[in-house]
Amino acid sequence: QKEVEQDPGPLSVPEGAIVSLNCTYSNSAFQYFMWYRQYSRKGPELLMYTYSSGNKEDGRFTAQVDKSSKYISLFIRDSQPSDSATYLCAMTGGSYIPTFGRGTSLIVHP
Amino acid sequence: NAGVTQTPKFQVLKTGQSMTLQCAQDMNHNSMYWYRQDPGMGLRLIYYSASEGTTDKGEVPNGYNVSRLNKREFSLRLESAAPSQTSVYFCATGDRGESSGANVLTFGAGSRLTVL
Repeated sequence: QKEVEQDPGPLSVPEGAIVSLNCTYSNSAFQYFMWYRQYSRKGPELLMYTYSSGNKEDGRFTAQVDKSSKYISLFIRDSQPSDSATYLCAMTGGSYIPTFGRGTSLIVHP
Repeated sequence: NAGVTQTPKFQVLKTGQSMTLQCAQDMNHNSMYWYRQDPGMGLRLIYYSASEGTTDKGEVPNGYNVSRLNKREFSLRLESAAPSQTSVYFCATGDRGESSGANVLTFGAGSRLTVL
């Protein structure tokens, strides 16, 4: 079992939908939780990160961490076709080397 | 500011040929990383360097070597390329090295390598 599990999708939603992307993990030492967005044929770029448990909001994006359940989520409100990309979760704690999920492919169709 | 620059962007090799992927950063970050990305496999760490003068193996180091030439540059060498090394390679830098913190990575645009 990988330390970080992420459903690869693809997840296909209509424009305007609320999107929920999720990762589960097994390492209790993880403290920093990051979401990267990767457009086709580009490198990943940081979307946002949170420390420990709780929520963090940035525009249409909300990151949520539940350490008791070892479960993190990224919500996208009012999804747009430009949000179509692969979303990767990543975590650090104990070691500074990030552990990545495999990524979820999101398709937002007009 | 270029951030993280990788060269070349595309390369086709024959089995057994050698080549070096170059990576340079202008972010003054201490740590640098080489990943490969294959369909369904996600990002897999090949080698990393916590700081100038140090390198360590990641998850999939076999068939690769690295050099941390200075703080800015980190190269990845394939000595004898194999078809299994066909992949997209990403260089990244991190704002933390050997210390606590999120260690946010900044990635290059990628190098697409095909080994025939």
